[in-house]
Order: sequence, then structure tokens, then C-alpha cells
Amino acid sequence: AQSVTQLGSHVSVSEGALVLLRCNYSSSVPPYLFWYVQYPNQGLQLLLKYTSAATLVKGINGFEAEFKKSETSFHLTKPSAHMSDAAEYFCAVRSGAGSYQLTFGKGTKLSVIP
Amino acid sequence: DTEVTQTPKHLVMGMTNKKSLKCEQHMGHRAMYWYKQKAKKPPELMFVYSYEKLSINESVPSRFSPECPNSSLLNLHLHALQPEDSALYLCASSQAPGFQPGELFFGEGSRLTVL
Repeated sequence: AQSVTQLGSHVSVSEGALVLLRCNYSSSVPPYLFWYVQYPNQGLQLLLKYTSAATLVKGINGFEAEFKKSETSFHLTKPSAHMSDAAEYFCAVRSGAGSYQLTFGKGTKLSVIP
Repeated sequence: DTEVTQTPKHLVMGMTNKKSLKCEQHMGHRAMYWYKQKAKKPPELMFVYSYEKLSINESVPSRFSPECPNSSLLNLHLHALQPEDSALYLCASSQAPGFQPGELFFGEGSRLTVL
């Protein structure tokens, strides 16, 4: 079984401040991990993915995430928040290459304060 | 620009109507998905098609009927829906299982309102 926990349903940061969105996972096999962003009334857009090639993954829009196996974490960061980063962020895990199942966390809404 | 196209973007229907949602992708993906998303919630998997065959049905009520006419198209036929079925319906596609890492590519969604 696999699961994802996103700590904090709502995170607020000031424009220019560090963004840190937390994600912890559980998986019985080495996982594939993803971060998606969803703007209001739109679909989900892939920000970045972990595929075991590198523990530090860089994505679009200046985001990156670090896979820490010992902590079963895959936290999303961005050094400097921009107003356009305000959105809902979902962490997701797929257990194994043969699985169709993508398990989503409950999401974290990011607000950016001018 | 998304490479998964969904139509219509908005749909309002009565409980006795029959309507369809359509999804198209041209990325050569062989797995296609329907998700349902309620406000402030993550997407919930409804159906998965792999190589045009239904692989997963997450105990979805029969008033939702999926169809995969070919590898690029996915439909969701709607009939006798309930107001609680109002939601954002998302289509997604991916490479078939076995191809790493299998990220999903989502469309913009179809916002459904059932009156």
C-alpha cells in the first residue's frame, strides 16, 4: 500500500520569501514521486518528478525537491516566492513501474502575500 | 499549452439528460484516465484504460460510462446524474505501466454542474 501526507493544508509566505511545502510518503517498493500544481479552475500541471536518477530534482518555475529515503520525504522548495506561485500543490506517489495507481496527497494551498 | 484536450470546458445538465465528456491526446500514450475532483480535494480515480481496454473501474456508479474508441480518444458518457456528481472531471494520459516513471499529463478539465 502507498500513501502520501502533506503537512499543512494552507501555507502563506511573503513575496520573495522561501517556499517550503512538505510531503511524506509510504511505499512498500521504491517509489516514483511527483509534485503537481493546480491553478484555479484548471487541470494539474507536472512541476517535477523523482525517478531515482538524482535525489535533488529541479522542476519548472524555479521549484525543486529533494528525495530523502531515510525520512521518507519529498519536500518542495523555491528560494523566492512570486505572486504567480499562488495555487494548490499536490504531492503524488506511484509504487513501482507496473502500477497504474497514482496516490495523491490532500493538497496544500499556497498563498503569496505582497 | 496542455497536450491533453478536454471538451466541453463547462457543462450544465439536468438529472434526466444524457451528455458526454470528450478527451483527446496525441502524445502516443497508451494509458488514459478519468478523475473526478471536488472542490478543495485531490483528484479521485474513476477509470483507467490501457491499450484501449478498461483496466480499472474504481466502483464508479453505472450512470458514468467510459468509452475508449481508439488510443487517442477517451469519452465519459453521463446519464441520470445526481447533483452530487457536480465536479471537475479531469482526463489524463500516461505511458503504459512498465515505462518509468509514468507521470500523468492532465487536461484542463470539464466543469460539470448537475441541476
